[in-house]
Amino acid sequence: GDSVTQMEGPVTLSEEAFLTINCTYTATGYPSLFWYVQYPGEGLQLLLKATKADDKGSNKGFEATYRKETTSFHLEKGSVQVSDSAVYFCALRGNDYKLSFGAGTTVTVRA
Amino acid sequence: DAGITQSPRHKVTETGTPVTLRCHQTENHRYMYWYRQDPGHGLRLIHYSYGVKDTDKGEVSDGYSVSRSKTEDFLLTLESATSSQTSVYFCAISDYRGRDTDTQYFGPGTRLTVL
Repeated sequence: GDSVTQMEGPVTLSEEAFLTINCTYTATGYPSLFWYVQYPGEGLQLLLKATKADDKGSNKGFEATYRKETTSFHLEKGSVQVSDSAVYFCALRGNDYKLSFGAGTTVTVRA
Repeated sequence: DAGITQSPRHKVTETGTPVTLRCHQTENHRYMYWYRQDPGHGLRLIHYSYGVKDTDKGEVSDGYSVSRSKTEDFLLTLESATSSQTSVYFCAISDYRGRDTDTQYFGPGTRLTVL
């Protein structure tokens, strides 16, 4: 079945550091890929998405490129802020309308 | 923000009691989902609905049932709560009609503790 594997955390960074969170997937067909973010005490919010190979999703300075050849969708941000502290989830939607989520990566940014 | 509310937001109950969680949406979206969030597991799908009275099981459906009698409401029931069902429960909605509308919107969550 469909599955998502993302790097384990927690990840602790200093402000203005570069952030990468690795995500790889297993799916049949051509899934859509997503990154969701969860701030403390809140529900999940869509951060960005890509629906076909080589698409780049971007939002709030975050980027991720859909790489079919490596079945990856790594999240990157060039200069993180304290406000980026959150839990980040990689997810995919396969051949139906259900999402499969990774385990989540907790990111803490220190001033 | 998508109009999704969950009630209650917090609940403490005892083992063996029935519990019902409510998800209410004002977006008229066709699809509704119930997830549970546990450390180390991300979000796992419990049940979902693809229309009024149309529901199906997710990957962790044992011990849970759902009902959807109106487009806007999706109820999750724990028939006899157990301590393993202590979790944070999230409702989500989607108006999926193809890849361009391929987004789920999440409610604020319900924290359930079963003693």
